[in-house]
Amino acid sequence: GQNIDQPTEMTATEGAIVQINCTYQTSGFNGLFWYQQHAGEAPTFLSYNVLDGLEEKGRFSSFLSRSKGYSYLLLKELQMKDSASYLCAVRDTGGATNKLIFGTGTLLAVQP
Amino acid sequence: EAGVAQSPRYKIIEKRQSVAFWCNPISGHATLYWYQQILGQGPKLLIQFQNNGVVDDSQLPKDRFSAERLKGVDSTLKIQPAKLEDSAVYLCASSTREGVSHEQYFGPGTRLTVT
Repeated sequence: GQNIDQPTEMTATEGAIVQINCTYQTSGFNGLFWYQQHAGEAPTFLSYNVLDGLEEKGRFSSFLSRSKGYSYLLLKELQMKDSASYLCAVRDTGGATNKLIFGTGTLLAVQP
Repeated sequence: EAGVAQSPRYKIIEKRQSVAFWCNPISGHATLYWYQQILGQGPKLLIQFQNNGVVDDSQLPKDRFSAERLKGVDSTLKIQPAKLEDSAVYLCASSTREGVSHEQYFGPGTRLTVT
């Protein structure tokens, strides 16, 4: 079966660091994506991992361990505008489909 | 570069009525997706097109939902008849096979309320 787990909600303080975890069990794997979704808006692409290790992009980093079926998104120097839902998504197979399976999202609240 | 366009942004209908949504993907993107996002959940893929052909419609409730992309550019998604549980945001996304990640770009969505 297809299963992607993330915490439902998290709270963090402005200026701090927060780590959002994602575990997955899917029939196939061809990459893991993180998307940011502000309330009432479309998801926007943050990061992509297909090999094990850490990918860094400014204040955001994403890590993948394929053997453990595990990823995390690390947000540094948190800003109020980072309050949003963070969606973990696995690309199930390669080739023509490029099908993404999304988790339910982690709602992050950044407090002053 | 213009993003993915969708219309309408909001729609309220009564159950058993019909509704249609429109999507225009990013220019040059051959792949187009329709997702359903119920409040508090992640998006769920309904149908995926490659140009004007269907690649995956395994999660599309075909007794009431239909979609087309006749000329391989814009697309419409129709629900007929609507049920209360169809209340959701319908997101359109597009992607290209260029690059490594082939990330999907999402439109603003259509928020459907069925009463």
